[in-house]
Amino acid sequence: DTAVSQTPKYLVTQMGNDKSIKCEQNLGHDTMYWYKQDSKKFLKIMFSYNNKELIINETVPNRFSPKSPDKAHLNLHINSLELGDSAVYFCASSPRTNTEAFFGQGTRLTVV
Amino acid sequence: AQSVTQPDIHITVSEGASLELRCNYSYGATPYLFWYVQSPGQGLQLLLKYFSGDTLVQGIKGFEAEFKRSQSSFNLRKPSVHWSDAAEYFCAVNRGGNTPLVFGKGTRLSVIA
Repeated sequence: DTAVSQTPKYLVTQMGNDKSIKCEQNLGHDTMYWYKQDSKKFLKIMFSYNNKELIINETVPNRFSPKSPDKAHLNLHINSLELGDSAVYFCASSPRTNTEAFFGQGTRLTVV
Repeated sequence: AQSVTQPDIHITVSEGASLELRCNYSYGATPYLFWYVQSPGQGLQLLLKYFSGDTLVQGIKGFEAEFKRSQSSFNLRKPSVHWSDAAEYFCAVNRGGNTPLVFGKGTRLSVIA
């Protein structure tokens, strides 16, 4: 049983397009996150949601818009994709905000 | 701002040799500390965590880590490395409250025969 699942696993798209990445967790956790991992493997927090409420938005361009329809889902929509958006995007969840996070498999986004 | 430093970008060890990966953090109080492993093309898997109490913590896959307050360190160790341990290792901290994990830049471990 997959605890945190993301779809799609790979996404190749052209500059200027709009795309979405979906994330679901079946752990019953209250908190969910999006992290971005760049080509040098550096992991940086993008957003944090607690009980469907946005609590952290780390200087992310407003082309990125997270949406949490319920506690188990946190989707990421990206408008007007740019070359620099190419990265691996990880969804994660945790029982509360200051504990360990459980990560999905990642979505490798390539913008061409 | 809190930060996490992993001084070694890449380490190569022989199979069967011992391993120590370094992690230092900068934060006034003792944060919550974590080690994760990322195999190629995979997500991050939690190896172990430290919140309080015994400063030597045991994790999965035979890993352990020791918290040293005086050195602001949380180094990861394994007595005998297996080829399957080759991966990227990340140290992470959380200072509590509504804050997410902050990750170090990672250490890539290569294992040679």
